[in-house]
Amino acid sequence: KAGVTQTPRYLIKTRGQQVTLSCSPISGHRSVSWYQQTPGQGLQFLFEYFSETQRNKGNFPGRFSGRQFSNSRSEMNVSTLELGDSALYLCASSLVVADTQYFGPGTRLTVL
Amino acid sequence: EDKVVQSPLSLVVHEGDTVTLNCSYEVTNFRSLLWYKQEKKAPTFLFMLTSSGIEKKSGRLSSILDKKELFSILNITATQTGDSAVYLCAVGFLNTGNQFYFGTGTSLTVIP
Repeated sequence: KAGVTQTPRYLIKTRGQQVTLSCSPISGHRSVSWYQQTPGQGLQFLFEYFSETQRNKGNFPGRFSGRQFSNSRSEMNVSTLELGDSALYLCASSLVVADTQYFGPGTRLTVL
Repeated sequence: EDKVVQSPLSLVVHEGDTVTLNCSYEVTNFRSLLWYKQEKKAPTFLFMLTSSGIEKKSGRLSSILDKKELFSILNITATQTGDSAVYLCAVGFLNTGNQFYFGTGTSLTVIP
């Protein structure tokens, strides 16, 4: 069974731009969570989707948003990029809510 | 206030040594604790511990959960250079869906 896939793997953007990241969960998994990982803050929860509904949102500004499609694929969007948004963005999928999460390879975003 | 605290922050050992990594968490509404191994890529799942499963073992790795004292340990025996990685502990709480709180990790280096 294929693992979690994320595209693109690397992105370079400039301040003020916006970006969309994509995540395809493991086949059959309906829950998708997004995390931001930085050297200083570690892994921080962004949001979680299940059956196309956002169930939880972490403590991030409204510039961070996401959605989930009927096939469980998810996208996250960051608008008006700031230098501090440079990070590894990880997507994790699980069969159901509160189950073990399996991570994708991540998207490395660099904001210049 | 950190919900999940890992110690030590880093550790350097020789091949063949046994190491113990620690993870402590807040008491509020504990649901499950997960251990991950992260090399230069996405975290890979090791163990999940819950109220009904407080001890897990896989090869040279084992983990226990002490619900009374609110901590977990990850043991690695007969360490190998391939064990070098950051080990992450994540805790999920009741009523927070798939929102897991991650510790900052323990960086383990195994030297030949």
